[in-house]
Amino acid sequence: EIVLTQSPRTLSLSPGERATLSCRASQNVSTGYLAWYQQKPGQAPSLLVYGVSSRGIGIPGRFEGIGSGTDFALTISRLEPEDFAVYYCQQFGGSPPFTFGPGTRVDV
Amino acid sequence: QVQLVQSGAEVKKPGASVKVSCKTSEHTLATYEINWLRQATGQGPEWMGGMDPKSGHIGYSQKFQGRLTLTRDTSISTAYMELSSLTSDDTAIYYCARRRSYNYTLGTLDYFDYWGQGTLVTVSS
Repeated sequence: EIVLTQSPRTLSLSPGERATLSCRASQNVSTGYLAWYQQKPGQAPSLLVYGVSSRGIGIPGRFEGIGSGTDFALTISRLEPEDFAVYYCQQFGGSPPFTFGPGTRVDV
Repeated sequence: QVQLVQSGAEVKKPGASVKVSCKTSEHTLATYEINWLRQATGQGPEWMGGMDPKSGHIGYSQKFQGRLTLTRDTSISTAYMELSSLTSDDTAIYYCARRRSYNYTLGTLDYFDYWGQGTLVTVSS
């Protein structure tokens, strides 16, 4: 099973600032199999980025995913009020189980 | 607009079973793999299993093997997740999600693109 570790667990920032979230995998993850999700309180997770760097439908350009192998990152260039949420990385790997990281909370 | 609409909250006693439904469109159920995940309070989502739309083949997380049953009723475009022998550790929000998987120039892309609203399952004596 591929274990995903996210850091930091909490990021305290202000609107307009830049956020950088890290995701490290215990084994190599192919590019197509790494995604990021955003979750707001009381809501289901929603797709942000897939294939490491492709944004989902309607996702603004301030969200950027990068990385390869075992090290990945999600950058939010300028935080908007609606971006304060929890972010999860997730991998499909070559076989199940398909795992998620523990999440990074971005708060004010 | 893709929608996955789940059934309502459930309260179960330890040892019981729970069955959660996920209603979607005929096209989604026939074309995409519907997966089930759960999320305990304060934790990341946990993948449980998914059903291939064409073959009906089911992939399970070993953690749930023997307790998890995934089924579907194509006549009403609904997928089901049943979990048996419940314990308090099964208290969580359960989600269905559509898995998008396709080939592109560099390989395969795989992700969950649409999620249901979630169903809270509480296991308590």
